[in-house]
Amino acid sequence: QKEVEQDPGPLSVPEGAIVSLNCTYSNSAFQYFMWYRQYSRKGPELLMYTYSSGNKEDGRFTAQVDKSSKYISLFIRDSQPSDSATYLCATRSGNTGKLIFGQGTTLQVKP
Amino acid sequence: NAGVTQTPKFQVLKTGQSMTLQCAQDMNHEYMSWYRQDPGMGLRLIHYSVGAGITDQGEVPNGYNVSRSTTEDFPLRLLSAAPSQTSVYFCATRGGFNQPQHFGDGTRLSIL
Repeated sequence: QKEVEQDPGPLSVPEGAIVSLNCTYSNSAFQYFMWYRQYSRKGPELLMYTYSSGNKEDGRFTAQVDKSSKYISLFIRDSQPSDSATYLCATRSGNTGKLIFGQGTTLQVKP
Repeated sequence: NAGVTQTPKFQVLKTGQSMTLQCAQDMNHEYMSWYRQDPGMGLRLIHYSVGAGITDQGEVPNGYNVSRSTTEDFPLRLLSAAPSQTSVYFCATRGGFNQPQHFGDGTRLSIL
């Protein structure tokens, strides 16, 4: 079993839709949670970074962490074609700096 | 501010050839790392460094060497390239321990 599981998709939605991207993790020692966005032929770009359970909002993006169920989510409101990319969840324990990534979910937002 | 710069962007090698992938950063970050990204496998850590003169192995270190003689540079060496090392390689840096990592745009490597 992978330490971080993420459905690779692809996920296709119409412009303006609310998008929900999800990951599960297995190690309760993981304390830091990140979402990265990766456009084709580019490096991962940090979108959201959170430590605690609960919600963190940044513009149209909301990251949600539920440590009790080991579940992390990214919500995108009013999705735009420019949001079309691969979204990677990542986590790490508080003891090491090593990131563990999910496989990434490919999202396409159609005009 | 260039951030994390990786060179070259593309490279084709023959089996058995050697090569060094370059990574340079101008953010004075102590932590640097190398990942490879393969379809269906996500990003996997190859080697990392917590400062000049200190390196350690990640999840998939076999076939790769690293050194860290300066804060700015963290090259990744393939001593004898194999087709299984065909991948996209990313370098990442991090400021403080609780800070997130920032990635370069990658080197696409094909080994024939």
